[in-house]
Amino acid sequence: SQQGEEDPQALSIQEGENATMNCSYKTSINNLQWYRQNSGRGLVHLILIRSNEREKHSGRLRVTLDTSKKSSSLLITASRAADTASYFCATVPLDFYTGANSKLTFGKGITLSVRP
Amino acid sequence: EAQVTQNPRYLITVTGKKLTVTCSQNMNHEYMSWYRQDPGLGLRQIYYSMNVEVTDKGDVPEGYKVSRKEKRNFPLILESPSPNQTSLYFCASSLSGGWVTTDTQYFGPGTRLTVL
Repeated sequence: SQQGEEDPQALSIQEGENATMNCSYKTSINNLQWYRQNSGRGLVHLILIRSNEREKHSGRLRVTLDTSKKSSSLLITASRAADTASYFCATVPLDFYTGANSKLTFGKGITLSVRP
Repeated sequence: EAQVTQNPRYLITVTGKKLTVTCSQNMNHEYMSWYRQDPGLGLRQIYYSMNVEVTDKGDVPEGYKVSRKEKRNFPLILESPSPNQTSLYFCASSLSGGWVTTDTQYFGPGTRLTVL
């Protein structure tokens, strides 16, 4: 079952602009992760935010988490053509502490196109 | 170099002909997992393994088998492939996969399978 739902499904911006992508989820989480996938290749981990964190930065990436709204956003500042890729949010459920399943549940992804 | 490798990268086969996709990681990770990626459906987990000789079903296990005889290898077996198994397959691994909720997953480059 899909946990994370990203929004929008596709985003096209000009190089230098900021890109904001959103993710909503349904059940309580331990943490939320964002991954990037270049066309036809494997996913690469970008950033992880824990449920007790509200904001996190990594280079040009800024992630926020609002557990009351069960949503997260990924902001890429000063975008570059090389940022063109699909972006996925993935959640680790709160009941993960049982150790029964290290299950990352992925959304369907957002396709970001950055025009030079 | 730390990596997850998959072979083959591309495979075209016919219905009913047994095949195996290999996955190997050199990071001494305990957790390994297989996903399939289909347009509009995102990534869905097929099987996962918390450690050697421990495997369990993910969201879409039907038609697949796995084994984990060694820590580094986690092959995906399709005993009798069908056209609906045409997909892009990814193997992934993470360090502890059960006891550290902040583990990130490392993905292989993907195997594009076509079943005619």
